[in-house]
Order: sequence, then C-alpha cells, then structure tokens
Amino acid sequence: SYVLTQPPSVSVAPGKTARITCGANNIGSKSVHWYQQKPGQAPVLVISHDSDRPSGIPERLSGSNSGNTATLTISGVEAGDEADYYCQVWDTGNDLVVFGGGTKLTVL
Amino acid sequence: QVQVQESGPGLVKPSETLSLTCTVSGYSISSGYCWGWIRQPPGKGLEWIGSICHSGSTRYNPSLKSRVTISVDTSKNQFSLRLSSVTAADTAVYHCARYTIITSPLDVWGKGTTVTVSS
Repeated sequence: SYVLTQPPSVSVAPGKTARITCGANNIGSKSVHWYQQKPGQAPVLVISHDSDRPSGIPERLSGSNSGNTATLTISGVEAGDEADYYCQVWDTGNDLVVFGGGTKLTVL
Repeated sequence: QVQVQESGPGLVKPSETLSLTCTVSGYSISSGYCWGWIRQPPGKGLEWIGSICHSGSTRYNPSLKSRVTISVDTSKNQFSLRLSSVTAADTAVYHCARYTIITSPLDVWGKGTTVTVSS
C-alpha cells in the first residue's frame, strides 16, 4: 500500500514561515491535497491538487509537489494557524484514499 | 451550499454492527458526486473507510472491506455505513464527506459523530 510520511510536529514563531512535508515514493506524480483540522472540528481543505487554494483560504498558505516530497508552506504564521495538518492522495492502484499521519503545528 | 451531517448511536456493543447515516442537504445525492466515510480514533489520524458514487459503485479500504457496507437512499438524500463485528479498535469519530472523482479532494465534510464500542 502507498504510505505518506509526515513529521509528527512542527513548531514556528509567529510571523515566521512553517513548512510541513509529506513524503512518499514518487509523490510528485500524484495530486496532493492538504487539510487543516482544529480540535473538535472537521478537517477543512486548504490546498487541493498540489497548489490550488479553495475559496476563502488565505494566500499565506501555499503548496508544492515534486519528486518524493510535497510541501505545505504557511507564511507569516498566526496563532490561528495552530492545528493538525494532513496530506492526502488517491492510491489509484488500490482505488482508495490515503492520508498522511498528520502534523501538529505549534505556534510558539 | 452543500452540507453533510452524520447521525447514529453513540454507543455500540462489541461484536455488534455499527450503523451510521449521513444526510446531505443543498444537493441531490442522485445527481452526481461520490460520498465517503472517514474515521479518526481518539488522538490519532484520519483513516479512509470507503465510498459510494451516484452510479452506485463502491470502494472500500481493503483493511475493513470484509466488515463494511456503504449504501445510498436517494429518497431520503442519505447514504449509510454499516460496520460489522465491531471491537474497541473501532471506537472513533466518524466523518462523512464528498468528492467529485478519483484524484479529487474531499471538499465537504461533516462535523463527525463519536462512536464508542463498549459493553
């Protein structure tokens, strides 16, 4: 099965840039989606198809995907960005959705 | 605006069958899209359970396939999850969600419903 690897945690000071990675074999050939989940809430799609921002998502959030790593970048981090972030792809060979293990973003 | 909302018993006994329903509002479920179930054990990450598309085709996580059935009731604009022979490991928040086609994101999510498996 296809495995997505995320760091368990990332810490960043307010105003700085946070980068959350999602690693997998040749992930650059797949379309990666990112979700933000705050405690007790449903996940919210923040980046689709590697780098597209849904309506209402601030420009501070961006995505990239190449080779074996996809990256979610949050510029000018704010306290409200503190959340769990999950990457997701479709394992088309096995016809199922795959999620990364999630990364807890802490704003110092 | 499309919304989805989960409902069902919050407590299920071991070895019994978990049954949940997702009600869709703002869109006719028979018109298109695919509808899925995702769960999240306490303190853990997201796990895909499976989905059903408007065509009636289903997809299931191989790790759960032998115990899962997802179905649609177009008259009620709902889709449902049945998970048989549950154990404590099935305790989780269960979310329903929508996607367009394979490779597309899950763009509408329900808030989730907590299911505890305990005697």
